Formats: sequence, structure tokens, C-alpha cells
Amino acid sequence: QVKLQESGPGLVKPSETLSLTCTVTGGSISSYYWSWIRQPPGKGLEWIGYIYYTGSTNYNPSLKSRVTTSVDTSKSQFSLKLSSVTAADTAVYYCARGPSGSYLHFDYWGQGTLVTVSS
Amino acid sequence: DIQMTQSPSSLSASVGDRVTITCRASQSVGTYLNWYQHKPGKAPNLLIYAASSLQGGVPSRFSGSGSGTDFTLTIRSLQPEDFATYYCQQSYTMPYTFGQGTRLQIK
Repeated sequence: QVKLQESGPGLVKPSETLSLTCTVTGGSISSYYWSWIRQPPGKGLEWIGYIYYTGSTNYNPSLKSRVTTSVDTSKSQFSLKLSSVTAADTAVYYCARGPSGSYLHFDYWGQGTLVTVSS
Repeated sequence: DIQMTQSPSSLSASVGDRVTITCRASQSVGTYLNWYQHKPGKAPNLLIYAASSLQGGVPSRFSGSGSGTDFTLTIRSLQPEDFATYYCQQSYTMPYTFGQGTRLQIK
């Protein structure tokens, strides 16, 4: 069973960079796309972007200027960096496998980690 | 971006009931429509992909239908473990977008 687990600081100061890592177990990180998705308190889900195991990426235009992702296949991990954060970036951040398959769904998710932006 | 609108935003029902949740896209997404179940503190769970295909391991009381702009998720004979929030998501074009969620509560 594929499992994903997010890790990283739960508190980030305004204007600093949010950094999260997702560790994949129970399956290979190769040959798949891997995404970050977030949910601000009381709001809906927002797709941040994906990284392919080769390192190619695609980001939501609304965040593209501040997002960087990377992948380390040797550790079965992929990571997110979001720069210049503000309170609006406070959210539960999820990592997920996908878009997968012919219909580009997200078939495995982590439990999510709350990141609060505050001084 | 394609806007996804779910209705209702919340719903109360009893064990054994049949419930339907609707998702409408702001433009056609064909059948690139997926449904997820989310319980607090848990990982979201893929229920339906391609509008009507049941993900492996998901009980057959869940079903999806629709194409174009209008979609439905139906849960036949609600079970206690089905009380959760449900989200639709379009994968027709990037950025992928989600509905705002439908919270299914016990009556």
C-alpha cells in the first residue's frame, strides 16, 4: 500500500520560505507524477503543482512565481518550497500521487500538515 | 480557471438513506471529473475517477455519473463511515480545480 507522509515546520514567519518534504513508502516514486495541494482554513482545496520523477514540473499560475519543487528518487522524497509567504499561505498542505492514469486523478494522499504563517 | 461548484454545501442524512451530491463545472470537462471523500485528520480518499469509474476498494454503494458540465455522486444506503466531506475535482485542464466541498452529516 502506497503511503505518503508530509514533514516540515509547522510555523513560518511572514516573508520567509515554507519548506515541506513528502516521503513515499510502499511503492516506487519512479514513473509517477507527484503533487502538492493545500487547504486554507475554512476554504477549498487548491492544487499547487506537480513534479514528475524525472524532475519536470508544472505549477498553478496563481503560485508559480513563488513555488519550487524537487525530487530525490534515492530517498523516495519530493519537496515543496514556497517563498515570500504571508498569512494567506496558512493552510493544511497535502502531498499526493498524481495526476495519475488516463483521467489524471490523485490516487494516494498524505494526511496533511498544518503550516501557520505568523510572526 | 475552471470553477467547480458543488451543491449542497452541507447535507444531513440518516444511516440507510440514499444521497446525491451535485458538481457543476463552469465549462465542459468531458468526463475528467473525480470525487474524493475526506474525513478530519485523514488523507483524502479517491472514490470515483473519470466521472463514473469506481476506484479499487471503494464500496459499490458509491456511484458517479455525468459528463460535460454536470455531475453527480450518489451514495446508496448510507453507512456510519460515510459521514465525511466530499469534493469533486476536474482534471480536464490545468490548473486542476476542486469544488468547495459537501459536508455530509448525521441527521
